Amino acid sequence: EAGVAQSPRYKIIEKRQSVAFWCNPISGHATLYWYQQILGQGPKLLIQFQNNGVVDDSQLPKDRFSAERLKGVDSTLKIQPAKLEDSAVYLCASSFDGRNTIYFGEGSWLTVV
Amino acid sequence: AQSVAQPEDQVNVAEGNPLTVKCTYSVSGNPYLFWYVQYPNRGLQFLLKYITGDNLVKGSYGFEAEFNKSQTSFHLKKPSALVSDSALYFCAVRDGSGGYNKLIFGAGTRLAVHP
Repeated sequence: EAGVAQSPRYKIIEKRQSVAFWCNPISGHATLYWYQQILGQGPKLLIQFQNNGVVDDSQLPKDRFSAERLKGVDSTLKIQPAKLEDSAVYLCASSFDGRNTIYFGEGSWLTVV
Repeated sequence: AQSVAQPEDQVNVAEGNPLTVKCTYSVSGNPYLFWYVQYPNRGLQFLLKYITGDNLVKGSYGFEAEFNKSQTSFHLKKPSALVSDSALYFCAVRDGSGGYNKLIFGAGTRLAVHP
């Protein structure tokens, strides 16, 4: 069974530029998560989708971050404009229905310079 | 609010010796607890989980974890450490507030296994 796919794996941008990350969850998984992991910290939830609807975006900095999952399958996380403090690993994860084990992708590593 | 704490930033152990990575939790209701491992430049890999039942949970790569309700702990253990076990380990608790489940992670513990 294929795992959670993410791209790009690595991205370096200048501050104030924009960046987008893509995620394709495990087939059949209704719940999709985006987590942010800053160096030296545990992952923090940014946004959670159930099918194509947002169920939790309380920690998403909405002035610069946006995410969508239009067809209830793959998802895109965008940052515009980026700040230095956005340098982190962006982890996408999925779960069959939110009650089962959550599986993570390899992460997208962002460096803002 | 649900939370977990990992009191050690780093654990050092010699290869072949037993290892323990500590985790304590604070939850309202029944705890659903997880351990994940992160190797360098990789995502998080699921190791094991406690939902209910046996207090000793067995997981991947020879790891196990002991759930202790009275001490509110969920320590990760392995009888004999390998150099290849060196990685970052995260304890997590499931938070179902709001009707949808998500994971709340600890800050992580770096395990270094020396030959």
